[in-house]
Amino acid sequence: NAGVTQTPKFQVLKTGQSMTLQCAQDMNHNSMYWYRQDPGMGLRLIYYSASEGTTDKGEVPNGYNVSRLNKREFSLRLESAAPSQTSVYFCASTEGAYEQYFGPGTRLTVT
Amino acid sequence: AQSVTQPDIHITVSEGASLELRCNYSYGATPYLFWYVQSPGQGLQLLLKYFSGDTLVQGIKGFEAEFKRSQSSFNLRKPSVHWSDAAEYFCAVAGGTSYGKLTFGQGTILTVHP
Repeated sequence: NAGVTQTPKFQVLKTGQSMTLQCAQDMNHNSMYWYRQDPGMGLRLIYYSASEGTTDKGEVPNGYNVSRLNKREFSLRLESAAPSQTSVYFCASTEGAYEQYFGPGTRLTVT
Repeated sequence: AQSVTQPDIHITVSEGASLELRCNYSYGATPYLFWYVQSPGQGLQLLLKYFSGDTLVQGIKGFEAEFKRSQSSFNLRKPSVHWSDAAEYFCAVAGGTSYGKLTFGQGTILTVHP
């Protein structure tokens, strides 16, 4: 039982490049989330998926898109990366009672 | 809208000393409250949660937290800190129809001196 997995662990992009961050969970959870973590700002919600087939914007969605591929997988895409998107990205999942399980994170640097 | 404030950005304690990390929340109804811990380079691990009932909740690693509605607080405590407790701690709130969306505080970095 791996929980929540994320790939890649580290990534360096040049401004304007695109990439997709992958997330998968094996706990049969309905809801999945993408957060970004920046120093002194805690975690901020980018997008979430309350259930398979639905996605909604969170607090900081600009510059990102998401796809809920199936119940297990929820990907985050940066179409044209900007230095302001340098951050640590966390995926999480939950079933019902709000307790979220987090992946190990992806460290993204945009130069 | 819900919000969380952690007033202390950085706290330093000696090993064996007691610890209290502060958390204040803003939410109109009874909130769901959480404390998470993050070790360097790691993801977040749930320490404890409050949904309802007894306002003093016990968590893992010897941590506890007390929900005080009158003060809109959910402070985290530990009677005796170990060097391995050095990490960043996040308070979070959720509730109502927010589909489990958590709002996090800014985090408190704990340093433990030997």
